[in-house]
Amino acid sequence: DGGITQSPKYLFRKEGQNVTLSCEQNLNHDAMYWYRQDPGQGLRLIYYSQIVNDFQKGDIAEGYSVSREKKESFPLTVTSAQKNPTAFYLCASSIGDRPYEQYFGPGTRLTVT
Amino acid sequence: AQSVAQPEDQVNVAEGNPLTVKCTYSVSGNPYLFWYVQYPNRGLQFLLKYITGDNLVKGSYGFEAEFNKSQTSFHLKKPSALVSDSALYFCAVRDPYSSASKIIFGSGTRLSIRP
Repeated sequence: DGGITQSPKYLFRKEGQNVTLSCEQNLNHDAMYWYRQDPGQGLRLIYYSQIVNDFQKGDIAEGYSVSREKKESFPLTVTSAQKNPTAFYLCASSIGDRPYEQYFGPGTRLTVT
Repeated sequence: AQSVAQPEDQVNVAEGNPLTVKCTYSVSGNPYLFWYVQYPNRGLQFLLKYITGDNLVKGSYGFEAEFNKSQTSFHLKKPSALVSDSALYFCAVRDPYSSASKIIFGSGTRLSIRP
């Protein structure tokens, strides 16, 4: 059963701690993405990766970091430098020649207090 | 810069009535346009796309969208709404001349279908 998994579904952290969100896909997709969703703001792109060992900043990369050591994995670290980290985080993937048709994971809701 | 706008935060429709969710875009060149749907606490699901060809595109769950170049619009429609259509809908656009694998999402429209 192919798809994208994100874990955990809910995550709670204290301010000042780094936290890593997991994203795994078994769709054999080349490209992967991280978005942040806030109420009334739609989705904003944090980072994306078109191939293994390569990634680019999106529109709101400050305070975040990623790695792409394996095709199926694209973890996102929310660092203490991110000013307002509480949000719903969505991971997505796409076939290399159809980047507009993205498949999304179920999301991780991060709450930082 | 490319952008997409969804002018309505919420749309309310009675079950069985036709529904329209509006979207307008601003893109240089020919746009690639998409609709996604999000159910509560879930990721987005791809509904349909327009890249080229027929201005009326059909997608999943009986939805369709009409591309109108003169009005720069890509409204989502369904002839007869179901309660199960209640969800958050996102319009999105990609600039075909962009070298990056990026799409820009609108702010979303919450569709509420009453029985």
